[in-house]
Amino acid sequence: EPEVTQTPSHQVTQMGQEVILRCVPISNHLYFYWYRQILGQKVEFLVSFYNNEISEKSEIFDDQFSVERPDGSNFTLKIRSTKLEDSAMYFCASSLETMGSPLHFGNGTRLTVT
Amino acid sequence: KQEVTQIPAALSVPEGENLVLNCSFTDSAIYNLQWFRQDPGKGLTSLLLIQSSQREQTSGRLNASLDKSSGRSTLYIAASQPGDSATYLCAVRPNSGYSTLTFGKGTMLLVSP
Repeated sequence: EPEVTQTPSHQVTQMGQEVILRCVPISNHLYFYWYRQILGQKVEFLVSFYNNEISEKSEIFDDQFSVERPDGSNFTLKIRSTKLEDSAMYFCASSLETMGSPLHFGNGTRLTVT
Repeated sequence: KQEVTQIPAALSVPEGENLVLNCSFTDSAIYNLQWFRQDPGKGLTSLLLIQSSQREQTSGRLNASLDKSSGRSTLYIAASQPGDSATYLCAVRPNSGYSTLTFGKGTMLLVSP
């Protein structure tokens, strides 16, 4: 069964550094998302992306965050200057359509900011 | 603002038991509800998706029901197995807007042999 793949599985970075988290969504899916889960807390929505632009974003997704689909297969999340509170598991997801289709999630990237 | 609550937070049962996990949401204007399974340190695996017009969905030993008007969903697991041990999350998608899922905190299930 096709799946969403994320790399790396674990990223350790120092405060203030830039990080790029990478995702390869399911190939025929059109909608892409980033969610995050701080340890012990709920999964939270960050951003959704369709047709090469952001379609929705949450309050968490401030100017320090950006997303990009640099080619036909990759979808990336960049955090420009990481903070301690950015430490979390970041999940990429994709869906075939925006409303009626299930979201399929990757295994996540655990980001640790020291 | 939509709030999703899952009860109980944790559940421990012996193998073979049938069990019910509960999910409630405050705003009944949802498009659909999705149940996920999360293994420790892993991603979310989609289990069942119920559209707002549906009452239930079944997949193998899993059955999910939806009562939109009362803001409730249940996930029924029949004949539980140790391999079912995981955290089960429910998430709702609103009627309006795009595709944001609002998640509950999950129920951590442990099935002992």
